[in-house]
Amino acid sequence: EVQLVESGGGLVQPGGSLRLSCVASGLTFSSYWMHWVRQAPGKGMVWVSRIDPDGSTTYADFVKGRFTISRDNAKNTLFLQMNSLRAEDTAVYYCVLSSGFPAYWGQGTLVTVSS
Amino acid sequence: DIVMTQSPDSLAVSLGERATINCKSSQSVLHSSPTKDSLAWYQQKPGQPPKLLIYWTSTRESGVPDRFSGSGSGTDFTLTISSLQAEDVAVYYCQQYYTPPWTFGQGTKLEIK
Repeated sequence: EVQLVESGGGLVQPGGSLRLSCVASGLTFSSYWMHWVRQAPGKGMVWVSRIDPDGSTTYADFVKGRFTISRDNAKNTLFLQMNSLRAEDTAVYYCVLSSGFPAYWGQGTLVTVSS
Repeated sequence: DIVMTQSPDSLAVSLGERATINCKSSQSVLHSSPTKDSLAWYQQKPGQPPKLLIYWTSTRESGVPDRFSGSGSGTDFTLTISSLQAEDVAVYYCQQYYTPPWTFGQGTKLEIK
């Protein structure tokens, strides 16, 4: 059974940093495109970033220069380093595995940016 | 970016009746290999992550009841629930995964009439 488990969320002050992790199990993690998608409270879903199996990355304009996606294939883990956090970054962050389509979603981790 | 527009924003249907949700993309989401439209549908209940129902426009995810079906092509797509059950109350989203940034519809809230 494929599982994606996120962690690392929490309460952070504006301007602060957090590092999210997503551990994958049940498949060969290194072969897949991985994404982060977020959902602000009561709102719809918004794509954040992607990392390809070869390590190439893509970002939404609103996180460019602030967020960095990375992966450790040896540990089956996806990361999202989030710096210069803003109140509008408050959301549940989901990691998503794509096998040509968005096949698996994690349960999400809540990030709250507030003073 | 590809804009995904769902209609209606909310929908109330009687138990056992058909529910239809529409989704329109601002441009084609036709993938080259496989030659299929890169369109997915999700169901989301409060406090839960989105649940994948349909991908490649009409392929039902394993374990999803066959009362859920997807159709469409080009830029117009539809999710149909053939006979609404109480457990289908949720918000439904369409998504294009043809190209980053992935984009989602604004959601359709489905309720029981």
